[in-house]
Amino acid sequence: SAVISQKPSRDICQRGTSLTIQCQVDSQVTMMFWYRQQPGQSLTLIATANQGSEATYESGFVIDKFPISRPNLTFSTLTVSNMSPEDSSIYLCSVETPLGLREQFFGPGTRLTVL
Amino acid sequence: EDQVTQSPEALRLQEGESSSLNCSYTVSGLRGLFWYRQDPGKGPEFLFTLYSAGEEKEKERLKATLTKKESFLHITAPKPEDSATYLCAVQARDAGNNRKLIWGLGTSLGVNP
Repeated sequence: SAVISQKPSRDICQRGTSLTIQCQVDSQVTMMFWYRQQPGQSLTLIATANQGSEATYESGFVIDKFPISRPNLTFSTLTVSNMSPEDSSIYLCSVETPLGLREQFFGPGTRLTVL
Repeated sequence: EDQVTQSPEALRLQEGESSSLNCSYTVSGLRGLFWYRQDPGKGPEFLFTLYSAGEEKEKERLKATLTKKESFLHITAPKPEDSATYLCAVQARDAGNNRKLIWGLGTSLGVNP
């Protein structure tokens, strides 16, 4: 498995501002993903972060709202832009290891509260 | 439409009282079914992957089984430290190179000492 860290672990932000969340992996991985986990709801995939190209977004998520960077095989960022209270959630980074069998390993998450 | 349903939503057991959690799925061809454990304030922790009906996997007090329609997570003689939310997810075979997982809402398990 991979060891994944996320920064910040939590934050409280004002409406209209933006927050960038970092995800660092201790080994090179091909596949990195960003999820949202809202209270009482299942995990929702926001996008797949592709190294060297634009992220692939799921239905309902757009690049202007959730820009993603993937500069190398061990690091990615997710920005939550122009935040509103509805963006309050836990944001999770996950990876699929190159030698794995499609299981994903998750970071500890970032708990975001928007006032 | 691909879907995952977990039951019960919540379960409270006495220490040592064995039980099972259910994950029912409908998917257009199953590539894999995944079980995770999630503690409050933490990311999901990978437990098992199952690929085909009849497959079983074990880890300590947990055993996961798979049929063509559902998976069970059996917990034998649970301890208070087994208290967590258990999540189930599936990946469809026709997803191609898409790694998207379809997630259930989870079962919140509490084990009383």
